[in-house]
Amino acid sequence: NAGVTQTPKFRVLKTGQSMTLLCAQDMNHEYMYWYRQDPGMGLRLIHYSVGEGTTAKGEVPDGYNVSRLKKQNFLLGLESAAPSQTSVYFCASSYLTLSGGDYEQYFGPGTRLTVT
Amino acid sequence: AQKITQTQPGMFVQEKEAVTLDCTYDTSDPSYGLFWYKQPSSGEMIFLIYQGSYDQQNATEGRYSLNFQKARKSANLVISASQLGDSAMYFCAIKAYNTDKLIFGTGTRLQVFP
Repeated sequence: NAGVTQTPKFRVLKTGQSMTLLCAQDMNHEYMYWYRQDPGMGLRLIHYSVGEGTTAKGEVPDGYNVSRLKKQNFLLGLESAAPSQTSVYFCASSYLTLSGGDYEQYFGPGTRLTVT
Repeated sequence: AQKITQTQPGMFVQEKEAVTLDCTYDTSDPSYGLFWYKQPSSGEMIFLIYQGSYDQQNATEGRYSLNFQKARKSANLVISASQLGDSAMYFCAIKAYNTDKLIFGTGTRLQVFP
């Protein structure tokens, strides 16, 4: 049971290049999330998914796209990278939230992306 | 909308002492959950403790307890008997039951010294 894994762990891009970050979970979670973490700003939600084939915008979605073709995978794409997208990216997953209850999110190890 | 405020950017505590990390929140939703996560220098996010807005008793998990004061909208984390391995960033977060979004505070860096 690997939990939540992220690929790659580190990446350096030049402005205008594109890339895809892969998140995989083996816990059969319905929900998956992408966050970015910047110094002094905590984690901010980029996009999330409540199930296979669904995606929704979070707090800071501009410049990113996502896809959830398989339940266990959640992809984050940068079509044209900008220096402002230099950050640490975290993927997370959780069980389906039930009315009156809540579940913690399980996080991946993070991807450190630098855009020059 | 929900908001979390963590006013302590950094805290120091001596080993074996207790420490309280402050968290206040703002929400108009009547049903919500409060979470605390730990982020050590290695970078991973580790879930510590959860408190639901309707829970009558304060949550406890080992050395962690959550001092939940609903009227004051505070959810402070108390770590008892601090250990050197507790040195890390600590994040408070909130999620309303009727939303899918977890909102984080800016974190508090805790340093435990011998």
